Amino acid sequence: DVVMTQSPLSLPVTLGQPASITCRCSQSLVYSDGNTYLSWFQQRPGQSPRRLIYKVSNRDSGVPDRFSGSGSGTDFTLKISWVEADDVGVYYCMQGTHWPPTFGGGTKVEIK
Amino acid sequence: EVQLVESGGGLVQPGGSLRLSCAASGFTFSSYWMNWVRQAPGKGLEWMANINQDGTEKYYMDSVKGRFTISRDNAKNSLYLQMNGLRAEDTAVYYCAREGSGGGGDSWGQGTLVTVSS
Repeated sequence: DVVMTQSPLSLPVTLGQPASITCRCSQSLVYSDGNTYLSWFQQRPGQSPRRLIYKVSNRDSGVPDRFSGSGSGTDFTLKISWVEADDVGVYYCMQGTHWPPTFGGGTKVEIK
Repeated sequence: EVQLVESGGGLVQPGGSLRLSCAASGFTFSSYWMNWVRQAPGKGLEWMANINQDGTEKYYMDSVKGRFTISRDNAKNSLYLQMNGLRAEDTAVYYCAREGSGGGGDSWGQGTLVTVSS
């Protein structure tokens, strides 16, 4: 299975400051159709996961443009341009290129 | 508005069975792959199984293959997960998720808790 390694595990951030989470994969996520199936999810405390980003850099409907995704091959990044209180929660990367789909271990974002 | 509502969770003894349901509304259910994803208490997300639009293709993670069965009824806009031979390590919140374009679940239910304990 593809191993997804996220860092950091915990990310204390000051409100209004930027935040960045990285996801490293054990093999390339480029699929045979040329797409890279790397998604990012947000899980607020007590809530279900919510997809933020798909295919590396595409924001889902309703996701603030403060959130952006980038990367290629095996290394990916989720950036929050400035953190708001509503952004507290755990963030997961997920690959859908290789069978079975696998998630990173999660990064907990909290306010300092 | 897309809605996914899971039900059927509860407390079951090791070796027991449970059937989870997911009622879908707000979209054309028969047009989407559907997934089950679980999350053990305080842990991360784990993809478990998925099924194609007409139910002819099904895929499972290795640890549940042969014990769990995913199915769907498009006439009832419902997704199911039959779980047999339950183990303590199956204790988790189980989510159904619609497979969105671009991969990953683009809509998730609120989850249903399954607890396997004697």
